[in-house]
Amino acid sequence: QSALTQPASVSGSPGQSITISCTGTSGDVGAYNYVSWYQHQPGKAPKLIIYDVSNRPSGVSNRFSGSKSGNTASLTISGLQAEDEADYYCSTTLLFGGGTRLTVL
Amino acid sequence: QVQLVESGGGVVQPGRSLRLSCAASGYTFSAYGMHWVRQAPGKGLEWVAVIWYDGSKKYYTDSVKGRFTISRDDSRNTLYLQMNSLRVEDTAVYYCARDPGDNGDFYFDNWGQGTLVTVSS
Repeated sequence: QSALTQPASVSGSPGQSITISCTGTSGDVGAYNYVSWYQHQPGKAPKLIIYDVSNRPSGVSNRFSGSKSGNTASLTISGLQAEDEADYYCSTTLLFGGGTRLTVL
Repeated sequence: QVQLVESGGGVVQPGRSLRLSCAASGYTFSAYGMHWVRQAPGKGLEWVAVIWYDGSKKYYTDSVKGRFTISRDDSRNTLYLQMNSLRVEDTAVYYCARDPGDNGDFYFDNWGQGTLVTVSS
């Protein structure tokens, strides 16, 4: 199985909103509402920020939101902050996306 | 609070073996499925293996089938990954992760800090 497809990089200024896409197939992303998203900062453990497409774990800021349409899932971060700079990964059915590097300008 | 601590990484020659451990604390270990996920240098995350909460099922990514074995010891609250016939391409940081999902809804709500495995001659 191939990895899910994410843009390699995105950027935004503080206070802006950005969206990261995650494209799969009708056999993975499109098949179930099981998409999760992870934030990974250098030297730290990855952190779950969204599960089951749009659910936030306790303690995760409501600036993070998830959605899905067809075979593509999306992560939106609103009100960008410097601390959001990290790599972001989507995942479903034991597949990961290639990761997206978010740069806060 | 949930804590996962990996150990056992190091430098090993191709073809040799290594066993990773993941010590869990702060929750009922036997109630959760567990995974190993790795990240090769400069690459993204890659799922490696999963074991069901009761040890009844184990699944592996194709590239490690027949070489890696995931197991758990609930009496010690510890997850293991036995890695045999190691290859250069197995070089990565290996993370253990807890899975609260159900019925195929796999996701990872807690991760360890990772342990580095370097396969090199």
